[in-house]
Amino acid sequence: QLQLQESGPGLVRPSETLSLTCTVSGGSISSSSYYWGWIRQPPGKGLEWIGSIYYTRTTYYNPSLKSRLTISVDTSKNQFSLKLSSVTAADTAVYYCARHNGGFYSYMAVWGKGTTVTVSS
Amino acid sequence: DIVMTQSPDSLAVSLGERATINCKSSQSVLYSSDNKNYLAWYQQRPGQPPKLLIYWASTRESGVPDRISGSGSGTDFTLSISSLQAEDVAVYYCQQYYSTPATFGQGTKLEIK
Repeated sequence: QLQLQESGPGLVRPSETLSLTCTVSGGSISSSSYYWGWIRQPPGKGLEWIGSIYYTRTTYYNPSLKSRLTISVDTSKNQFSLKLSSVTAADTAVYYCARHNGGFYSYMAVWGKGTTVTVSS
Repeated sequence: DIVMTQSPDSLAVSLGERATINCKSSQSVLYSSDNKNYLAWYQQRPGQPPKLLIYWASTRESGVPDRISGSGSGTDFTLSISSLQAEDVAVYYCQQYYSTPATFGQGTKLEIK
């Protein structure tokens, strides 16, 4: 059964870079035609799609975050990662990784449990 | 960006009664080439990640009880729960995956009356 697990620091200082990794188990990140994505949820608020990547490194980014965002994939480790630079308190959220059901224009079929990131000095 | 607007923001329904949540997109999410509505519904229980319920506007995900159903086309969609159970207490989100950026509705909180 496919499982996704987010990991990374729970506390990031303002103006620094937030870095998270999603480890995929129960399936290969590169063996199937799936996109892999990041979604976040600020405390008490709704869901915001951040960006998605294919194992060939093709990416789609939310324009609202694009200037600060890098999503990468490491097929040898079966992981994909998110880096968000110049963070502020507005980036405080639960960050989820998820697998699309196919190409980019598809729904999020499998989600990780999420990891909480707080931006604070 | 396609704006997704859900109504109501919150809803209280008695156990065994019907709950209906609406979702309206700012432009059509019906793709003419395949005649599919690029619209999904998710359920998020407290402290948990979102769970996929419905995709292509009306296709139920495996394991989702058949009292939960989705309908609609174009810009207007509905999620219905025919006989509310205690386990249905959650926030429900619609999402369009027709265009980038993918966008979600603001969520509808469903409670027991």
